[in-house]
Amino acid sequence: SAVISQKPSRDICQRGTSLTIQCQVDSQVTMMFWYRQQPGQSLTLIATANQGSEATYESGFVIDKFPISRPNLTFSTLTVSNMSPEDSSIYLCSVGQGYSRIEQFFGPGTRLTVL
Amino acid sequence: AQKVTQAQTEISVVEKEDVTLDCVYETRDTTYYLFWYKQPPSGELVFLIRRNSFDEQNEISGRYSWNFQKSTSSFNFTITASQVVDSAVYFCALSTPKGSGNTGKLIFGQGTTLQVKP
Repeated sequence: SAVISQKPSRDICQRGTSLTIQCQVDSQVTMMFWYRQQPGQSLTLIATANQGSEATYESGFVIDKFPISRPNLTFSTLTVSNMSPEDSSIYLCSVGQGYSRIEQFFGPGTRLTVL
Repeated sequence: AQKVTQAQTEISVVEKEDVTLDCVYETRDTTYYLFWYKQPPSGELVFLIRRNSFDEQNEISGRYSWNFQKSTSSFNFTITASQVVDSAVYFCALSTPKGSGNTGKLIFGQGTTLQVKP
């Protein structure tokens, strides 16, 4: 499976600031996904990032709050804007892999704490 | 609507016991995929298995086995002779295909925290 890395691995940020999370894959992939895992909770999809087109956001998530870039087939960024303590979560990127790209493999995640 | 339910929030067993994690799903799609992921304390999400809706064969991988039953919309996961290293949060997930083979979004259950005591 692809090797997926994320930067930063963790961060502590102040309310009102923004943080950009990077996701790097060691092979070209068509679809990349961004998930959020709030403390003690399950994972929820934020958006699907397709190269060459606008990201597709899930209900409850908006581009102004979570802008996403996908400049090429191996890289994507997610920005968490104007942060509040409620944004404290683990943010994970994933890519479709396998013969028919059905399996999703995840990066190690970015642990964000907002004070 | 699609939904995954993991009714067991936490399970605690003693090492070498067998343990089954339950997963019940809801979907109106005739083609779908079911997954199990493991999330150890370090936080990364580890892919364990994928099952297609048209393949009800049970699967065994070492101490792990999976029982897929469409009649009850269940995809249960059994760990035989559990070990301390099995302690983790386990997530069941569901997806449906988008387009020609592209993976769809994953709908996750709430997760089951498994604690294996020595």
